[in-house]
Parts: sequence; C-alpha cells; structure tokens
Amino acid sequence: GAVVSQHPSWVICKSGTSVKIECRSLDFQATTMFWYRQFPKQSLMLMATSNEGSKATYEQGVEKDKFLINHASLTLSTLTVTSAHPEDSSFYICSALPGQEDEKLFFGSGTQLSVL
Amino acid sequence: GDSVTQMEGPVTLSEEAFLTINCTYTATGYPSLFWYVQYPGEGLQLLLKATKADDKGSNKGFEATYRKETTSFHLEKGSVQVSDSAVYFCALKRNSGYSTLTFGKGTMLLVSP
Repeated sequence: GAVVSQHPSWVICKSGTSVKIECRSLDFQATTMFWYRQFPKQSLMLMATSNEGSKATYEQGVEKDKFLINHASLTLSTLTVTSAHPEDSSFYICSALPGQEDEKLFFGSGTQLSVL
Repeated sequence: GDSVTQMEGPVTLSEEAFLTINCTYTATGYPSLFWYVQYPGEGLQLLLKATKADDKGSNKGFEATYRKETTSFHLEKGSVQVSDSAVYFCALKRNSGYSTLTFGKGTMLLVSP
C-alpha cells in the first residue's frame, strides 16, 4: 500500500533552536498534506493544510510564523518549528492525500519532539 | 464544533477476549465515521468506515455500526489477538462543505497471550 515516510521519528532540541520535520510520500504524488499535533492524552489536532505550490492554510490558534510549512514538491512537505520552547514539545504527525477523499489519507509514523 | 469522544485506555485484554471500544460524536448534519489503527512504529491506517446511519463497517474481524440515535460508532471484535495491540482512533468527517477529519484521543489496546 501507499507509504508516507516521516523523519525524524524523535528529536530532542534546546529551547530557542529550530527543528525541521520532513514528510514524504514514497509511491504517490500528494497534492495535499496535513500536519497534526497530539499532546499526551489529547486528540490529534489539525494544525495546517499544505497544498503543493501554495501557502499553507493554518487552523485557528496555530501561529504561522512559528510553524513554517513548505510543500515545494508533490512528494515532500516540511514543518519547521522555529525558536522552539518546551511548550512545543508534542507528537507531530503528517498525512498525505493522493486524491480528494479524506478517508484515503496516508499517515506518517509521527515525530516526538522534546524541547529542553 | 465537531468532536469525538472515545474511552480512555489502555484497554488490557487476554487473547481471544471480546473487545469493545466506545466512541460517541457530536456534529451537525450526518457525518461519515471512521476507525483508524496505529500499530507500533507505523502511521495511522484506515480500519473501517461507515457513511450513513445503520451502516456497518467491517475489516479484519472488527466491526462498528453507525448509530444515529445514540450518536455512537463503537468498535467491536469477537476474539482479539496479540497482533491487534495498537492505538485505535475514532474519527468523523462532515459530508457537507469542506471538512477534514476530526479525531478522538485514541485508545491503546494491549492484548496478552
């Protein structure tokens, strides 16, 4: 089946540094990719929708200057957490949509970010 | 807004036990309902879905029936296996207008031999 590769799977960084997370669709082209965040014992919360070649659409309450999303090609989207702080520590998950139906989303395995 | 509530885990069962993971939802209109499963070290993958009231989704021995009157979509399996150990997410998607998936918090299932 379709595979979405997400890297790194976990990262520890110092407060104030930036971290980049990559999401690649390995065997299909994804016109749309989504980025989610999950805090412990909470739901997956949609952060932003990323469309290839255009600016990402952020959900209410998500700082676009802090969470930079780039979807430069049909197989790669990146999320950069800029000037990370401990409250940004969370589990980040990407998903890719090969077509128009949300239920055919393919998910990456997630990235656990810990900011010290 | 839309929301999905599912039982807190972990749910711990012995092999061949009966499984129920409860899921209820709040949404306007008539959403489609889904169960996703995340095995250790892997991404979420669609397990089953139902798009209208009284529909039953089924896959790999798992079933869930769309109950409009109780706004529920409980996941069941008659006899779990160790390989079913994973995190299960209930989700909904509104069928009108632009809508992305709304997820529950996830329920971890641990099955012991």
